[in-house]
Amino acid sequence: EPEVTQTPSHQVTQMGQEVILRCVPISNHLYFYWYRQILGQKVEFLVSFYNNEISEKSEIFDDQFSVERPDGSNFTLKIRSTKLEDSAMYFCASSVTEENIQYFGAGTRLSVL
Amino acid sequence: GENVEQHPSTLSVQEGDSAVIKCTYSDSASNYFPWYKQELGKRPQLIIDIRSNVGEKKDQRIAVTLNKTAKHFSLHITETQPEDSAVYFCAASIRGKLIFGQGTELSVKP
Repeated sequence: EPEVTQTPSHQVTQMGQEVILRCVPISNHLYFYWYRQILGQKVEFLVSFYNNEISEKSEIFDDQFSVERPDGSNFTLKIRSTKLEDSAMYFCASSVTEENIQYFGAGTRLSVL
Repeated sequence: GENVEQHPSTLSVQEGDSAVIKCTYSDSASNYFPWYKQELGKRPQLIIDIRSNVGEKKDQRIAVTLNKTAKHFSLHITETQPEDSAVYFCAASIRGKLIFGQGTELSVKP
């Protein structure tokens, strides 16, 4: 069964450093998402992406965050200058259409020290 | 604003009993409601979903009901088993983005 894959599984970084989280969505999917989950809390929407542009973003997704689909397979989330409060699990998801099942990757655990 | 409230936050049942988790959403534009199961340290996995043109959907031991008028939807698990123990999240979809509830930690005691 096709899966959303994310790398790395765990990223440790120093405060103020840039990080790039990578995702490979399911190949025939057209809609891509990033969510985050702070330990012990609910999953929170960050951004949705379709047709090479952001469809919607949450208040969390400020100008320190950006997304990109640099080629036909990868979908990346960049945090320019990480803060301690960015420490969380980041999930990528993809779906065929906007109102269809979203399949989640295994997540990248980001630890900002 | 866009919000999903989920109750209870924790639920403990005996094996074989039923479990019910309830959610309320705020945005009447929501028309797709998935339920995800998340085991410790793992990704959320879809277990069942329902669309706004349907009032109830069942898949073996799992069922979901939706009351659009009241903006309520519920997850029902019958004949619970220890492997059902996990955190369950409801969500409401608004223009594709999922707004999640706070989660229910279900513990099924053998």
